[in-house]
Amino acid sequence: DGGITQSPKYLFRKEGQNVTLSCEQNLNHDAMYWYRQDPGQGLRLIYYSQIVNDFQKGDIAEGYSVSREKKESFPLTVTSAQKNPTAFYLCASSIDGTWTSSTDTQYFGPGTRLTVL
Amino acid sequence: QKEVEQNSGPLSVPEGAIASLNCTYSDRGSQSFFWYRQYSGKSPELIMFIYSNGDKEDGRFTAQLNKASQYVSLLIRDSQPSDSATYLCAVKRIGGNTPLVFGKGTRLSVIA
Repeated sequence: DGGITQSPKYLFRKEGQNVTLSCEQNLNHDAMYWYRQDPGQGLRLIYYSQIVNDFQKGDIAEGYSVSREKKESFPLTVTSAQKNPTAFYLCASSIDGTWTSSTDTQYFGPGTRLTVL
Repeated sequence: QKEVEQNSGPLSVPEGAIASLNCTYSDRGSQSFFWYRQYSGKSPELIMFIYSNGDKEDGRFTAQLNKASQYVSLLIRDSQPSDSATYLCAVKRIGGNTPLVFGKGTRLSVIA
C-alpha cells in the first residue's frame, strides 16, 4: 500500500519543548516538503528537500529544522524557538526534485495537528 | 507579494448548479497549474492539473487555462453537497528550482 504517512495524527506539546513530526513515503519520490496551515489560511512552505542529504529553507523556516538522511524519510523538528507552533502540519512528496516535468505534482500525507499547551 | 490569488469565499451554490472557482497568478513563467480539494480537517488531494491553454475535462470537473490573462479556473458541474470543501489553486514554474506555490483557497458550499 503506497503512500505518505505522518505520525502522530495529533500531538500536544508544552511550551519550551522541542517536538519531532514524522513523515515517511514509499513512493520512491525524490522530493519532499513540509507545509504549515493555520485556520483559514493557505499552505506555507517550511522546508523542502530535492534529494537525500540536501534541503532548503522555505518561506517560514525560522524555529524549525529538518533532516533528509534517507530518501523515504523527512522528519520535521519544531523547536522552542518557534513562537506560535500550534498549526496543522502537512508533509508532501513529488517524483522529480528538479521540477522539470510539467505534470509532476505534489501528493500530501494525512497531516499532524500540533497543539501547544 | 501575493503570487497566487483566490477569492476566499465562501462560494455558495445550490445542488445541481455549476460552481466556478477562479485563480490568478503573477509569475508569467508559471507553466503548470493544479487544483486540490481539501475537506475540513483533512489534507489536500489532487483533483486536476492543466498546462496547455484551453479546457481540460475530467468527469464533472473542467479546468480552464488562459496564460495570456494569467488566469486558471475550475468548473464543477452538477454540484453535490459532497463537493463542499476548500479548493486550492497551485502553480509551478518548470525548471525554476522552486516548489508549487499555493493560493489560500476558496471555500465552496453546495446547498442541498
